[in-house]
Amino acid sequence: GAVVSQHPSRVICKSGTSVKIECRSLDFQATTMFWYRQFPKQSLMLMATSNEGSKATYEQGVEKDKFLINHASLTLSTLTVTSAHPEDSSFYICSAKLGGTYEQYFGPGTRLTVT
Amino acid sequence: AQSVTQPDIHITVSEGASLELRCNYSYGATPYLFWYAQSPGQGLQLLLKYFSGDTLVQGIKGFEAEFKRSQSSFNLRKPSVHWSDAAEYFCAVGGLRGWSGGGADGLTFGKGTHLIIQP
Repeated sequence: GAVVSQHPSRVICKSGTSVKIECRSLDFQATTMFWYRQFPKQSLMLMATSNEGSKATYEQGVEKDKFLINHASLTLSTLTVTSAHPEDSSFYICSAKLGGTYEQYFGPGTRLTVT
Repeated sequence: AQSVTQPDIHITVSEGASLELRCNYSYGATPYLFWYAQSPGQGLQLLLKYFSGDTLVQGIKGFEAEFKRSQSSFNLRKPSVHWSDAAEYFCAVGGLRGWSGGGADGLTFGKGTHLIIQP
């Protein structure tokens, strides 16, 4: 149980275009989902917290207009990188939390490369 | 400032030898503590977690960790490593921003320790 999927696993896009990454909780309803970013050989940094049906809460320094997060249902959150640039190339990992618990379940990550 | 410190960037251990990875955190109360392993290009695998209770926590694959409040530490140990244990290991802490009850703050991760296993 407690499986989280991400799609796509890898994506390459051209500079200036937008790309959407999906995060799904497959066997539980996630009241809260989180989006993290990991640069090569570095740690994970929390980007934003997403609660179903409400606006995402972004961490300091994360541009909310560039990283659009939608959490329209209890099993799906999406991260859209708008007007992507090469510096947005990174590994994006989502996690999902079951309501009333403290543990997060992580997805397998999405490798974004912007050319 | 709230933080998680993993002082060892790289550790090399011979296969069959014991392992200890260090993690220290800075926080005013008891946080929730996690250890994850990450293989190259892969997601995170939860090894173990501490929320409350017994300070010695048993995890998967023979890993254990001990929460020491007086030292603000949560070191990961394994008595005998296997070649398949080679990975990046991250210590993570929840509750650094007022996590309470149904609160939902994200985790703060340490910078990671790269574990190399020598044959």
